Amino acid sequence: DVKVTQSSRYLVKRTGEKVFLECVQDMDHENMFWYRQDPGLGLRLIYFSYDVKMKEKGDIPEGYSVSREKKERFSLILESASTNQTSMYLCASSPLLGLAGAKETQYFGPGTRLLVL
Amino acid sequence: GQNIDQPTEMTATEGAIVQINCTYQTSGFNGLFWYQQHAGEAPTFLSYNVLDGLEEKGRFSSFLSRSKGYSYLLLKELQMKDSASYLCAVEGYGQNFVFGPGTRLSVLP
Repeated sequence: DVKVTQSSRYLVKRTGEKVFLECVQDMDHENMFWYRQDPGLGLRLIYFSYDVKMKEKGDIPEGYSVSREKKERFSLILESASTNQTSMYLCASSPLLGLAGAKETQYFGPGTRLLVL
Repeated sequence: GQNIDQPTEMTATEGAIVQINCTYQTSGFNGLFWYQQHAGEAPTFLSYNVLDGLEEKGRFSSFLSRSKGYSYLLLKELQMKDSASYLCAVEGYGQNFVFGPGTRLSVLP
């Protein structure tokens, strides 16, 4: 079974703090994604990465950065947390398109619920 | 722009059939996915359509019409455990996924 883990289920931080959210997958997937999920807005893509040290901006990258130093680990960084970054953060991974598992391409972690005070 | 629409909420009775619709306008199309998400949990994969037509998987079926930018998820023989949010997502160019807002389904006894 694919396993995607996230470092924390719940996190409370103060405005202005630097926040690190870690995600690890154990299936040797090339692609990894960070989303935030807010009521009525669905999942919105923040950043994704298709290889080590590679990153691409998603729909809402402002206020965030990412790091992918190793294939299995994708970190989301909030440089200076703000109250509007209070949200559920979901990490996902997937293999490259065209492989046998392409029909089940995204596997999600359990999510981190972040509250910024 | 990219846009995916789904009804916000639906209610159905245990044992019934329910159809959840999804319309999309995206940059590129590499496939459409449906996910189930129970409250407080991660989304889990339900189905994938890349060609027009119906894909059946047990009690769940998903339909796609690429020319109309339309899909639906059909749930048969509803059970209480089917109460969840159902997310429609389109994979566009560059393996970029766009998600709809989700449909919260409540199954009543």
